[in-house]
Amino acid sequence: DAKTTQPNSMESNEEEPVHLPCNHSTISGTDYIHWYRQLPSQGPEYVIHGLTSNVNNRMASLAIAEDRKSSTLILHRATLRDAAVYYCILPGGYQKVTFGIGTKLQVIP
Amino acid sequence: EAQVTQNPRYLITVTGKKLTVTCSQNMNHEYMSWYRQDPGLGLRQIYYSMNVEVTDKGDVPEGYKVSRKEKRNFPLILESPSPNQTSLYFCASSWVFGTSGRKQFFGPGTRLTVL
Repeated sequence: DAKTTQPNSMESNEEEPVHLPCNHSTISGTDYIHWYRQLPSQGPEYVIHGLTSNVNNRMASLAIAEDRKSSTLILHRATLRDAAVYYCILPGGYQKVTFGIGTKLQVIP
Repeated sequence: EAQVTQNPRYLITVTGKKLTVTCSQNMNHEYMSWYRQDPGLGLRQIYYSMNVEVTDKGDVPEGYKVSRKEKRNFPLILESPSPNQTSLYFCASSWVFGTSGRKQFFGPGTRLTVL
């Protein structure tokens, strides 16, 4: 199963953009790239996903490298409510899903 | 409202006493999954199911059983719970096919303590 690698933690100042990286060098051609976040004391929630092209939604943007071996979740203006653990996963195909420990984002007021 | 429900939300039990954590979804999803979350270890998949009567092991299946007799339900069974199964458990569901790429919806979690 394809795996992802993320930094354990990152910090950002409030109201500044945040770029959360993810490496997925063993990604297959049909694997979607998904991002989830988990707020304290809650279950994970979907943020965004993409296949090849960059994607935008009301929560974030997803930039996918041309070779698809890495991607970046972009929060355009971090708020205190964005403090969470962010997971990058590849849930495609008939296979188990590996979440890992994700990136803990701390937002500094 | 589209949702994944889990029951109970909190459970304290003793070693060896069989228990079942229920999971139900109302979105007609084919895929359902159970995860456990422990400090420093992140989310680890226990079992998953691609459809009714189709289940497979995740990364940490030892000590757990599942069944998928109906599309909407995916109970997690601990036949003989042990203290190392004390954890926070999440159920999730998603479609298998389509452009959603398996966007998963998660339940609120079940905090289990085994004494």
